[in-house]
Formats: sequence, structure tokens, C-alpha cells
Amino acid sequence: GAGVSQSPSNKVTEKGKDVELRCDPISGHTALYWYRQSLGQGLEFLIYFQGNSAPDKSGLPSDRFSAERTGGSVSTLTIQRTQQEDSAVYLCASSLADLRGYTFGSGTRLTVV
Amino acid sequence: LAKTTQPISMDSYEGQEVNITCSHNNIATNDYITWYQQFPSQGPRFIIQGYKTKVTNEVASLFIPADRKSSTLSLPRVSLSDTAVYYCLVLMFSGGYNKLIFGAGTRLAVHP
Repeated sequence: GAGVSQSPSNKVTEKGKDVELRCDPISGHTALYWYRQSLGQGLEFLIYFQGNSAPDKSGLPSDRFSAERTGGSVSTLTIQRTQQEDSAVYLCASSLADLRGYTFGSGTRLTVV
Repeated sequence: LAKTTQPISMDSYEGQEVNITCSHNNIATNDYITWYQQFPSQGPRFIIQGYKTKVTNEVASLFIPADRKSSTLSLPRVSLSDTAVYYCLVLMFSGGYNKLIFGAGTRLAVHP
């Protein structure tokens, strides 16, 4: 597609429920990244996928967070047993495997009540 | 990864030139300097990238001195729509693996 698409754009969930956030990267982009941004804060790196290499999961805050990327394209970020501190905007980005810039999606705003 | 330091916030007025300076004292030989812009409720957007001297595009100019320990993003004749957070990042070219670590950025407010 023309840009990075994320769904849903907004998600309200009850504490303790599981949620899945989806990212459709730009076609042909081999690298895909997940970040989260709390209100008024900078971006926090979560996880990175590059081609067929093992993902860099160094930013995942706990084992409740996981992500997968199927067929080198679509990615799903799953948060299990959500907590109120998980409330944030979750941003996905994709890029080619070079120095050209990342393209970010508009994010999913997650609210845990 | 090289650490970057930039002002937390800046104020300007429409029509003025804005210069945001970022320091990256421990930049390495293979590192590139990259700037992103983020508007409220949107993901960051790539603005400009450079290695040394000066780079200019339709949005901004990037000035990098010979020692590369700092860089300056220059926005000519800003308008209200340039109000955003600007992030300075140092990106290591490693043949495909590029993990961007964002700092707090500089919050630019442009006033009428």
C-alpha cells in the first residue's frame, strides 16, 4: 500500500483482557518496528523484525508482550492481561534495509480501563 | 548507540528561521545524523539525513561541522504548521540493521 496501515485506530479494553494490534507495512519493506508512546512522552522501542532474521525483542517491557510477523509482511502485537500502564499509542514503522527513513503509521491508541 | 542532546523546547514566530542544535559527542565513523518531525496524534515523519557538511531539501537544511559532534536543523520561515516535536537521532549504517532510539525531542511552538 501507499503507507503503513495500523488497526484499530482506537481500542478501549478492560484490565486483564488480551488485545491484538495489527500493522500492515509498506509493500516491499523488509524491516518492521513497533514503538509505543505514552502521553507527552518520547517513543519507546519495543521490537524489530528484519527479513528472516530473529527479531530484536530487547524493548518488550514484559512477557505479556509478544509480536509476530507472518510471511514477512503483516505484523501483530499482542498484549496479554492488559494493565492500566499499558495505555499508550502503539506505533508501527517499516523501512527498506538501508539508511532511508522509516515510515510510521498513525498508531493505535490503547486505553485500558 | 550515540547519545544525543537537544533542547527540550523552543518558541518562534511565523516567518522566522528556526535553528535546533543537537549534540552527539560520541558519534562514530559509520553514523549518520537523522531528524524526524512529529505532529500531535501522528507518527514521526522523516525530515532529513546527513553525514557531513550541509544537506538541503524542500523542508529543511542540516548543517554538520567537520568534527560531527553536533548538528543543526534549520527550518526557514516557519509557519504555524511547523509546530511539532523534532527528534535528532544518530543512525549507524550496519548493512541493514538500523534501530532508531528516540529521545525526548525538541518541542517547537510557532506563534502568530
